[in-house]
Amino acid sequence: RKEVEQDPGPFNVPEGATVAFNCTYSNSASQSFFWYRQDCRKEPKLLMSVYSSGNEDGRFTAQLNRASQYISLLIRDSKLSDSATYLCVVNAQTGGTSYGKLTFGQGTILTVHP
Amino acid sequence: EAGVAQSPRYKIIEKRQSVAFWCNPISGHATLYWYQQILGQGPKLLIQFQNNGVVDDSQLPKDRFSAERLKGVDSTLKIQPAKLEDSAVYLCASSSASSSYNEQFFGPGTRLTVL
Repeated sequence: RKEVEQDPGPFNVPEGATVAFNCTYSNSASQSFFWYRQDCRKEPKLLMSVYSSGNEDGRFTAQLNRASQYISLLIRDSKLSDSATYLCVVNAQTGGTSYGKLTFGQGTILTVHP
Repeated sequence: EAGVAQSPRYKIIEKRQSVAFWCNPISGHATLYWYQQILGQGPKLLIQFQNNGVVDDSQLPKDRFSAERLKGVDSTLKIQPAKLEDSAVYLCASSSASSSYNEQFFGPGTRLTVL
């Protein structure tokens, strides 16, 4: 089983649509969770952190369910500029150290069309 | 604030040749990471440095890959000899050790093609 698994996608949605991405992780000791965005042929950039209580940033809402080891990202009112790959990322401390290790999912491609 | 710098941006080599990549992290960032991103996959951590010490290199193929971070700032990643399956984008990232959420800032990457 992969440490972080995401919906395979790709997602192809019209402008204004609502789209949801799901992600599961296998390491129950994982401590922090993120969604990164990666534009075509660019580097990943942090989109938002994911908190246990759920959090929202404009049109983006992230949810975490620790019991089910499940993370989600909801995008409302999709824009053309939302087209990108969305990476689910999980942070767990490396053994014997206080430093985190990020594990990335394979990414889900989103294309928003006019 | 200047971001993470990497060079070269592109490199094409033949199998069995050697190649080296360079990374300069954000000023003051103590933690530096090298990732390999194969087309269609998420980045995979190769090695993590804290200052000039290695924190995690469990996924680094040590028979052909090596990395160093002298003086705790710049870092180089070397592949010797390269194989076809090493074709990928090599991303360098850095983070502040004081960041509890461990946000990582990535450089633009080096796209390696092995023929």
